[in-house]
Parts: sequence; structure tokens; C-alpha cells
Amino acid sequence: SQTIHQWPATLVQPVGSPLSLECTVEGTSNPNLYWYRQAAGRGLQLLFYSVGIGQISSEVPQNLSASRPQDRQFILSSKKLLLSDSGFYLCAWSGSRTSTTTAFFGQGTRLTVV
Amino acid sequence: AQTVTQSQPEMSVQEAETVTLSCTYDTSESDYYLFWYKQPPSRQMILVIRQEAYKQQNATENRFSVNFQKAAKSFSLKISDSQLGDAAMYFCAYGRRRHDMRFGAGTRLTVKP
Repeated sequence: SQTIHQWPATLVQPVGSPLSLECTVEGTSNPNLYWYRQAAGRGLQLLFYSVGIGQISSEVPQNLSASRPQDRQFILSSKKLLLSDSGFYLCAWSGSRTSTTTAFFGQGTRLTVV
Repeated sequence: AQTVTQSQPEMSVQEAETVTLSCTYDTSESDYYLFWYKQPPSRQMILVIRQEAYKQQNATENRFSVNFQKAAKSFSLKISDSQLGDAAMYFCAYGRRRHDMRFGAGTRLTVKP
């Protein structure tokens, strides 16, 4: 069965520090991968999605970047965090060859920039 | 661009009663999928139900069912026999194959004992 791992679960970082959140998927190949951000009490904002290794689409200009160095690994990064980067970050995957696009989510990372 | 609208920021229901959450979407595509996700206080996103646009029959999963009106671009979620564990944020979502998913702003459901 497929599983998705996202870490860390919580993170407190000072302004100006770098960021690296990692997400890996097991039990499937060539998944679509997504990074979402959720502000408190709000909906999900798509940050990045990827349909293959090295293929990254960005939804909004921001202080963040994403990379997909391996088929089932998706990394969210920042060189210098801003206070506005605080939020709840969710990684998700969906099958690229299946007939549906159901997204399955990781446990999320609560990021607080101080 | 595809958009998903949930016009009810908050809803409440009495335990054992039925509640309907509304969702509308905008698309020019004919092949797509619609979803309802539940996010409890743990913030884990849990798939509740999904609907393929090419299917006319409304999807059902136990106490959860949808009313899919393709022409009206409406996709509501009905929860029957509401339970305390149903209390959560509910998100409506739209997706297409090999495309990103779009989510509504969510509806917070409260279940009163």
C-alpha cells in the first residue's frame, strides 16, 4: 500500500534562517506531488506541484522553492525565512496513471517563524 | 482558471440529524473529479468521498453522500445521522488528471450533543 511521510511535524525557526521540509512517498511510482500551505482557519493554498523528476510548477511568487531530486521525494526550501512564512504545510501525492486524481496527504508540518 | 467556492464558513448540526454542506465550482472542462475532504483538529486531511464528473450517479460512502449537479456546477455533501466525530473542517476540491487540485476555503462543522 502507498504511504506518505512528511517531516518534521513541528518546526520553530528564526527569521532569516534556511528551511528544508521533506516529503517521501512509498508504494507507488511517478506520483504527482504537491506542497500546500494552510493559514490558521483557512483553506489550502497550492504552492508547488510536480509531475516528474525535476519538473516543478510554482503557483505564486514567494520566498519558497521546491525540488524533486528523486521520483518519490519532494523538498520545500527557503534560503531566508520571513515571518509571513509561518503556517501549516502539507505535502500530498496523487497517482499519475490511475483514473482518478485523489490526493493523499502527509501529516503536515507546523512552521513557526519567530 | 478553475475555482471552488464554499459559501458556508460555519455550519452546525444536532447529533443524529442531517446536514448538507454546499460547494460550487467553475470549469470549462468536461473530464474532472470532485472531492470532499475532512480535516479534524489533528489537521490530517482525510478523503471523505469522491465523484467522477462523467458519472451521473451520486457517490455514497456510508453516512456520506453527494448531490452532484453537473450543469449547475454544484457538489454538495450530505452527512446523515451526524456523529460527534464528524466535527471538523470540510473542504471541497476539484481535480483533473495530471493537474493540481483546487480547494475551497472550507466549512467548519460543529456537532451539538
